[in-house]
Amino acid sequence: EVQLVESGGGLVQPGRSLRLSCKASGFNFGDYAMSWVRQAPGKGLEWVGFIRSNSYGGTTVYAASVRGRFTISRDNSKSITYLQMNNLQTDDTAVYYCVRDGYGDIDYWGQGTLVTVSS
Amino acid sequence: DIQMTQSPSSLSASVGDRVTISCRASQSVNWYLNWYQQKPGKAPKLLIYGASNLESGAPSRFSGSGSGTDFILTISSLQPEDSATYYCQQGYSAPRTFGQGTKVEIK
Repeated sequence: EVQLVESGGGLVQPGRSLRLSCKASGFNFGDYAMSWVRQAPGKGLEWVGFIRSNSYGGTTVYAASVRGRFTISRDNSKSITYLQMNNLQTDDTAVYYCVRDGYGDIDYWGQGTLVTVSS
Repeated sequence: DIQMTQSPSSLSASVGDRVTISCRASQSVNWYLNWYQQKPGKAPKLLIYGASNLESGAPSRFSGSGSGTDFILTISSLQPEDSATYYCQQGYSAPRTFGQGTKVEIK
């Protein structure tokens, strides 16, 4: 059974940093791109970024709204993907979902972790 | 970046009605168009991938069509459990992008 379990969310002040983790199980982690998707309270889904599998160079792509502030990385030996978020702003407040990119579609979602940016 | 536009933003229909939701891409995404269903407080679920392929476990009353820039999600006979928000998403290129969502309510 595929499982994605996020951790690391919480309350953080504007301008500070936070790192989210996502532990994957139930599939060959190294074969898949892994993405982060967020949803601000009462709003729609926003794709944050992804990291390709090593077969595709392990490169990253980000949404314009987070480019230069957020970094996605992966540790294939531990089946974990990370989202490092720097210089957080109030409009980064959202539930952050770790998701598996099934070659264009998102076939598995984590339960989400809430990040609240507030002073 | 490819922009995705859904219409309508919300709709209300009766049980048994046929419901359609449209999604338009700002440039061609071929068949790399996916649909998700999200219920309040839950993570979204994949319904349709590759424009017209029903995800395993999704009810057969859901279907998708289209290619290029214009796509449709159809619910053939609306059921009470279909009350949710539906999102389209293009998987053609990165950054991936979602439509703004369509909220479906039951009359």
